[in-house]
Amino acid sequence: DTAVSQTPKYLVTQMGNDKSIKCEQNLGHDTMYWYKQDSKKFLKIMFSYNNKELIINETVPNRFSPKSPDKAHLNLHINSLELGDSAVYFCASSQAVSGGYYGYTFGSGTRLTVV
Amino acid sequence: AQSVTQLDSHVSVSEGTPVLLRCNYSSSYSPSLFWYVQHPNKGLQLLLKYTSAATLVKGINGFEAEFKKSETSFHLTKPSAHMSDAAEYFCVVTRSDTGTASKLTFGTGTRLQVTL
Repeated sequence: DTAVSQTPKYLVTQMGNDKSIKCEQNLGHDTMYWYKQDSKKFLKIMFSYNNKELIINETVPNRFSPKSPDKAHLNLHINSLELGDSAVYFCASSQAVSGGYYGYTFGSGTRLTVV
Repeated sequence: AQSVTQLDSHVSVSEGTPVLLRCNYSSSYSPSLFWYVQHPNKGLQLLLKYTSAATLVKGINGFEAEFKKSETSFHLTKPSAHMSDAAEYFCVVTRSDTGTASKLTFGTGTRLQVTL
């Protein structure tokens, strides 16, 4: 049983398209995150939701819009895709907002390639 | 504010020899520290974590790390490298207090190469 699952695993799309990445966790965790790993393998947080409420919103272009329909799901929608959006996107969850105390579980990532 | 510096971008060891991956951190808060491993084209796997309990932390696959507050370091070690240890390793810091939204700050990674 996968704890944090992301779909799709791979996504190749053209510039200008709109795409979504879905994330689901079956751990009963309250808090979910999106992280972006760039081509140099650097990872940085994008968003965090706690019980469907946005609690962390880093400096991310507003073409990126997260949505959390319930606390087990956190989706990422990207409008007008650009070449620079090519990256691996990781979803993660933690038991509560204090992830540093409880720990984090990561999904296996979605590799987005914009051509 | 918090930051992580991984002192080596690339480390090469022979199979069977010790591994040392160095990490220094900075944090305005009481920190929690993690080491994650990423094998090629794979996700992030937690090796071990420090959350203000014992300063010597044992993780999976024979890895361990020691939290040294005076040196602001959290170096990762393993007594004997195996070929399967070849991967990218990330040192990560966040705040350890409860009830506060926390985000992980990643280091830039250390690529471990293991040779025969």
